[in-house]
Amino acid sequence: SSELTQPPSVSVSPGQTARITCSGDALPQQYAYWYRQRPGQAPLLVIYNDSKRPSGIPERFSGSSSGTTVTLTITGVRAEDEADYYCQSADSSSTYAVFGGGTKLTVL
Amino acid sequence: QLQLQESGPGLVKPSETLSLTCSVSGGSISSSDDYWGWIRQTPGEGLEWIGSVFYSGGTYYNPSLKSRVTISVDTSKNQFSLRLTSVAAADAAVYYCARHVLGGGYWYFDLWGRGTLVTVPS
Repeated sequence: SSELTQPPSVSVSPGQTARITCSGDALPQQYAYWYRQRPGQAPLLVIYNDSKRPSGIPERFSGSSSGTTVTLTITGVRAEDEADYYCQSADSSSTYAVFGGGTKLTVL
Repeated sequence: QLQLQESGPGLVKPSETLSLTCSVSGGSISSSDDYWGWIRQTPGEGLEWIGSVFYSGGTYYNPSLKSRVTISVDTSKNQFSLRLTSVAAADAAVYYCARHVLGGGYWYFDLWGRGTLVTVPS
């Protein structure tokens, strides 16, 4: 299967650490990518190649990979981090892209 | 700075064909090794990749939509287009175009348009 599974929601208080997981059978063979989407906006790439940050993305965003699970970690969460987060990867044959169902991060 | 902008009808009747265009500005669509893709998002739902095209015309499509989708490129206009046939209510969504970094083990979208809403009346 090439599906990606994310928890529907994660809640944290400001200043705490948020961890959002994404599971999929192809993840050991494929890189994972993470996008942040605020209401009414297009998705924004925040992590690529499992753990790399694009230019302009704060250091408090990090990514990691272990087996069939990848994790987006946001340290020192701020109110502005409240958004939907999507993981994305490719199928094991690298013929199509697949997105996770998204996780709504709520900053309490 | 490279920018992408979607355009096309905001309303498509059931069984008709949806046609959208993405205009690329600030750079040439044929000057890089990247692909150019379409992704959609149904109201309140997640993201679904539709397909991607290279400036020379090579394509990748989502298997679940492949029979209804054609993505093409016009390098003279610095544009690429999406055509989705036999539209139904389930195709109502916000459609995004994006630059698709593909190859060498990479498959991600690093630059997105603002999206355009397509409605399918019942």
